[in-house]
Amino acid sequence: GAGVSQSPRYKVAKRGQDVALRCDPISGHVSLFWYQQALGQGPEFLTYFQNEAQLDKSGLPSDRFFAERPEGSVSTLKIQRTQQEDSAVYLCASSQPGQGADGYTFGSGTRLTVV
Amino acid sequence: DAKTTQPTSMDCAEGRAANLPCNHSTISGNEYVYWYRQIHSQGPQYIIHGLKNNETNEMASLIITEDRKSSTLILPHATLRDTAVYYCIVRVTNYGQNFVFGPGTRLSVLP
Repeated sequence: GAGVSQSPRYKVAKRGQDVALRCDPISGHVSLFWYQQALGQGPEFLTYFQNEAQLDKSGLPSDRFFAERPEGSVSTLKIQRTQQEDSAVYLCASSQPGQGADGYTFGSGTRLTVV
Repeated sequence: DAKTTQPTSMDCAEGRAANLPCNHSTISGNEYVYWYRQIHSQGPQYIIHGLKNNETNEMASLIITEDRKSSTLILPHATLRDTAVYYCIVRVTNYGQNFVFGPGTRLSVLP
């Protein structure tokens, strides 16, 4: 597709539920990033993939957060036993390898609300 | 680790230049400064980036001080569609892909 696609666009989860957020990057983009954006704040880095390899997961806030990209294209961010503090917009971005942040294309995000 | 500071909000009259400052006093010598903007309910959009020299593209101009501790994004003729949150971002450390956005500047372009 022409851009980064994320689904669902909105997700409401009851506290304690598991959720899975999907990201379809731009075709051919090797690098994929997940960011978390709390209300009124800037995006915060969660994790980074190059192809199927997860090269940096230093931003994942707890072991309840897990990301995968098994075939080097689509990625899923999974949050187990959701808590209210997990409520945020989860943004995915992709880029070609070797590019700095000038090459990022972001999706519109998934807005997760935990009730 | 590198980080940025920006004013929380700014107003600009339509058709006038919008000058958005950013302080990045802890930036490493070989790291770029990037500017993004985020319109409501959309993902961030790349605007421009620079290292030492001033840069210009079809969207904006970037002025970087000689000591590289601060920069200013210039939108030469702001329109209502430029109303957005503007982020100046740098890499957290001088390696990896972890970029810090900060809370950004909310620019309101007024008719």
